[in-house]
Amino acid sequence: DAGVIQSPRHEVTEMGQEVTLRCKPISGHNSLFWYRQTMMRGLELLIYFNNNVPIDDSGMPEDRFSAKMPNASFSTLKIQPSEPRDSAVYFCASSPGHNNEKLFFGSGTQLSVL
Amino acid sequence: KNEVEQSPQNLTAQEGEFITINCSYSVGISALHWLQQHPGGGIVSLFMLSSGKKKHGRLIATINIQEKHSSLHITASHPRDSAVYICAVRDPNTGNQFYFGTGTSLTVIP
Repeated sequence: DAGVIQSPRHEVTEMGQEVTLRCKPISGHNSLFWYRQTMMRGLELLIYFNNNVPIDDSGMPEDRFSAKMPNASFSTLKIQPSEPRDSAVYFCASSPGHNNEKLFFGSGTQLSVL
Repeated sequence: KNEVEQSPQNLTAQEGEFITINCSYSVGISALHWLQQHPGGGIVSLFMLSSGKKKHGRLIATINIQEKHSSLHITASHPRDSAVYICAVRDPNTGNQFYFGTGTSLTVIP
């Protein structure tokens, strides 16, 4: 298995632009997580899905952020409009089940908003 | 308020030394995760545990639910163990929300 695949690896954009991050979880995994990592705040859970349904999005910072999971093999995290403070590494992770199973992380997307 | 506290923040060790990283948490948990993040940025899940002890190669993780404390031990440390180790817990009382420690940066010197 190729593991969790994220794209792009790096994204540089200007303030105000729309940014879309993509994630393909491991085949057969039922849970998908989006995390953000910054120097100031460390790792933070943004949202997670179980069987393509958003379970908890309380970590999403504001309305500029949205996430979708249209099917079991694909998820997107969108920021519109982007701001410099959104600059961070965004990780996607998947796990086999809903409760307390090991997490498998993607390589992350390094986002820089100028 | 930090739900998860790790110590030490930074740790330098000589190759071969026995290493312990500590994690204390203040919330009720359904599980605790130890994560490893290498200098390149990738994150690997090392352990997920809810009681007792787990061992994988030179790595051992223990958890004491009553004391709300977990330790990650590395025996016979090696320079390739140099990484940031992150403790994370899931709190069933807040919908299984994740709380993360700030990480312990480990450097093992040859």
